[in-house]
Amino acid sequence: DGGITQSPKYLFRKEGQNVTLSCEQNLNHDAMYWYRQDPGQGLRLIYYSQIVNDFQKGDIAEGYSVSREKKESFPLTVTSAQKNPTAFYLCASSTTGAPGNSPLHFGNGTRLTVT
Amino acid sequence: GQQVMQIPQYQHVQEGEDFTTYCNSSTTLSNIQWYKQRPGGHPVFLIQLVKSGEVKKQKRLTFQFGEAKKNSSLHITATQTTDVGTYFCAAIRGSNYKLTFGKGTLLTVNP
Repeated sequence: DGGITQSPKYLFRKEGQNVTLSCEQNLNHDAMYWYRQDPGQGLRLIYYSQIVNDFQKGDIAEGYSVSREKKESFPLTVTSAQKNPTAFYLCASSTTGAPGNSPLHFGNGTRLTVT
Repeated sequence: GQQVMQIPQYQHVQEGEDFTTYCNSSTTLSNIQWYKQRPGGHPVFLIQLVKSGEVKKQKRLTFQFGEAKKNSSLHITATQTTDVGTYFCAAIRGSNYKLTFGKGTLLTVNP
């Protein structure tokens, strides 16, 4: 059964710590994305990757880093430089590298709380 | 800032009433996608509109893309409690491949 797996579902960290959110897909999709969702703000693009070993900054990349060493995996690191890290993080994938031309398939999300 | 403005932000209806959410842009859109997110869930793709003036239907849902490709709407006829959730539009500009989401319309339905 193909899909996108994000883990963990809930994550708690102390301020000043880096934390890495996992995203794995077995849909054989080339493109992967990270979005952040805050109440009343919709979804904002953090990073996206059109192909392995390549990724691009989205609209709110500051304080975040990613890697795309494997087609199936696109982990997101929330660094201590991110001023407001508490949010719901959604990973997505699509068949092509041009978002908007094919549907995004989302994982179940990781809710990060930093205190 | 946001490329697409979505209104209303919230809408509460009685079961059986109709519901419409609108998505507006100041620039011409290449295409537009609509997603639904149930409470506590993740966004799920509903449909994509590409052509000027396009109208698509999915059971009680009707999606429209404006003639100028600057606005879109999602209309639900005779809402049911299963329609509860947040509806998002998403779009890209002509040569910008970043998919931008509207802030969404939260629909609640009173049984």
